[in-house]
Amino acid sequence: EPEVTQTPSHQVTQMGQEVILRCVPISNHLYFYWYRQILGQKVEFLVSFYNNEISEKSEIFDDQFSVERPDGSNFTLKIRSTKLEDSAMYFCASELYGYTFGSGTRLTVV
Amino acid sequence: GDSVTQMEGPVTLSEEAFLTINCTYTATGYPSLFWYVQYPGEGLQLLLKATKADDKGSNKGFEATYRKETTSFHLEKGSVQVSDSAVYFCARGNNFNKFYFGSGTKLNVKP
Repeated sequence: EPEVTQTPSHQVTQMGQEVILRCVPISNHLYFYWYRQILGQKVEFLVSFYNNEISEKSEIFDDQFSVERPDGSNFTLKIRSTKLEDSAMYFCASELYGYTFGSGTRLTVV
Repeated sequence: GDSVTQMEGPVTLSEEAFLTINCTYTATGYPSLFWYVQYPGEGLQLLLKATKADDKGSNKGFEATYRKETTSFHLEKGSVQVSDSAVYFCARGNNFNKFYFGSGTKLNVKP
């Protein structure tokens, strides 16, 4: 069964550093999403992406965040200057006729 | 606004007990409804879904029925196993749109 692949599975970074979280969506999917889950809390929507542009973003998705689909296969989430409160599990999802979530990247900001 | 509310956990049951995890939603329109399961240290796995009123989703002995009149999608299983211990998330969504998740319910099943 096709999968959404996320790398790395766990990343530790220093506060103030830039991080890029990578996702490889399912190849024929058209819609892409990032979600965030702070430890022990609910899964929250960050951003949706379609036709090479952001279609919707949440209040969480401020100027520190950006997304890109640089080569037609990868879908990346960049956090420019990480803060302690960015520590969370980040899930990528892609969709054609139904969502598929990746297994997540656990980001720890120290 | 649109939201999903599910019962707080943790829920602790003995093996072979009956499980119910309540979930209600508010929405404009007619969303699809989902249950996702998250095992310790892992990602979100789709457990079951229902796309319209009165649909019943089922998988691995779990069931949930889309009740439009009560705006509910309660998860049930007749006989839980230790291996069912996980966090369960109720969610609603429409095609090509964001999902709204409940806060998650942790299930502990003791032998």
